[in-house]
Amino acid sequence: ETGVTQTPRHLVMGMTNKKSLKCEQHLGHNAMYWYKQSAKKPLELMFVYSLEERVENNSVPSRFSPECPNSSHLFLHLHTLQPEDSALYLCASSQDGGTGTGELFFGEGSRLTVL
Amino acid sequence: ILNVEQSPQSLHVQEGDSTNFTCSFPSSNFYALHWYRWETAKSPEALFVMTLNGDEKKKGRISATLNTKEGYSYLYIKGSQPEDSATYLCASGFGNEKLTFGTGTRLTIIP
Repeated sequence: ETGVTQTPRHLVMGMTNKKSLKCEQHLGHNAMYWYKQSAKKPLELMFVYSLEERVENNSVPSRFSPECPNSSHLFLHLHTLQPEDSALYLCASSQDGGTGTGELFFGEGSRLTVL
Repeated sequence: ILNVEQSPQSLHVQEGDSTNFTCSFPSSNFYALHWYRWETAKSPEALFVMTLNGDEKKKGRISATLNTKEGYSYLYIKGSQPEDSATYLCASGFGNEKLTFGTGTRLTIIP
């Protein structure tokens, strides 16, 4: 098993659909993250969880809803998205409690297209 | 909004040549500087995490330096190889902000 796995790798959804992205880390880390990568923009932090508790919500619209049921799993629930939400969504984990002092281990990303 | 800037945006280097690029970040309340390599269709991979002014780190042919007082870090690649082709991201942590990423430097090695 690779360190951080994300499913699905590709997702196409309509604006009225409800879907979820899943992330699983097999590294025993204590923090997990969702990042958004839009074309020609830097990676944008969306959410940080430390020991299953959300410690950061970076002004993300409520149509994105994270869930962290345990320290190994992270979900991003999507509903009534807009076409501008089309992007690569990256999950990451770290062993620094979300403080930013430890390296991030990334998944390969979920490419989302909203029609 | 405080930004992390990377330059150049893209770079073409002949195989065997050495190269370097820059990451600039706010110097006040700095706490960490990260470098990542992101190859196409793969996940970003950590190269270095540095926290101390004057820090220098090395991994094979790649090294990095950090100047927190003036707010910059350099990444050096010695004797470029085709497998070095990737986008190199830096991210800086300062104040109460979580890590802020730059837009990256896209490096292409010409055989």
